[in-house]
Amino acid sequence: DAGVTQSPTHLIKTRGQQVTLRCSPISGHKSVSWYQQVLGQGPQFIFQYYEKEERGRGNFPDRFSARQFPNYSSELNVNALLLGDSALYLCASTPWAGGPSDTQYFGPGTRLTVL
Amino acid sequence: KNEVEQSPQNLTAQEGEFITINCSYSVGISALHWLQQHPGGGIVSLFMLSSGKKKHGRLIATINIQEKHSSLHITASHPRDSAVYICAPFTNAGKSTFGDGTTLTVKP
Repeated sequence: DAGVTQSPTHLIKTRGQQVTLRCSPISGHKSVSWYQQVLGQGPQFIFQYYEKEERGRGNFPDRFSARQFPNYSSELNVNALLLGDSALYLCASTPWAGGPSDTQYFGPGTRLTVL
Repeated sequence: KNEVEQSPQNLTAQEGEFITINCSYSVGISALHWLQQHPGGGIVSLFMLSSGKKKHGRLIATINIQEKHSSLHITASHPRDSAVYICAPFTNAGKSTFGDGTTLTVKP
């Protein structure tokens, strides 16, 4: 079975542009979470979606938005890119809503560089 | 931030050495995960703990809920263990939090 997949692998954008990152969860998984990982730091929670509804949002500005599709894949959109948005963006899926005992399965990440 | 503190930040060991990575957290948690991140970004879940101790191969994880502390041990370390190890408590508020990771380098 395929694991969590993300596209693209790498992306270079300039300040002010908009970007869309994509994530496909493991087949059968209904929850997708997005994380931002700046170099040298741990992941920071951005969003969680479960059954196409937003279940949680981290401390990120409104320039960040996401959605989940009927097939449970998800997109993360970032508008008006800033240099500080340069990071590895990770997607993780869980079978259900994601409780304390649930193992999150992480994708390989999308490396975004903003110039 | 600083809900989760890991130590050391960086660790270099010789092959065969016993490794300990520590994690302290300040919030109430219902579970704690240890993750391994290899160069390039891929993250793998190693353990989920809510109490006591778990062992998987050469890896041992312990947690003391009262002291808000967890440790990850690696016995007979090997160069392929070189990675970033991340402590990730799941808070009582239902949120996953992450430490900044410990970068382990095991030299042959």
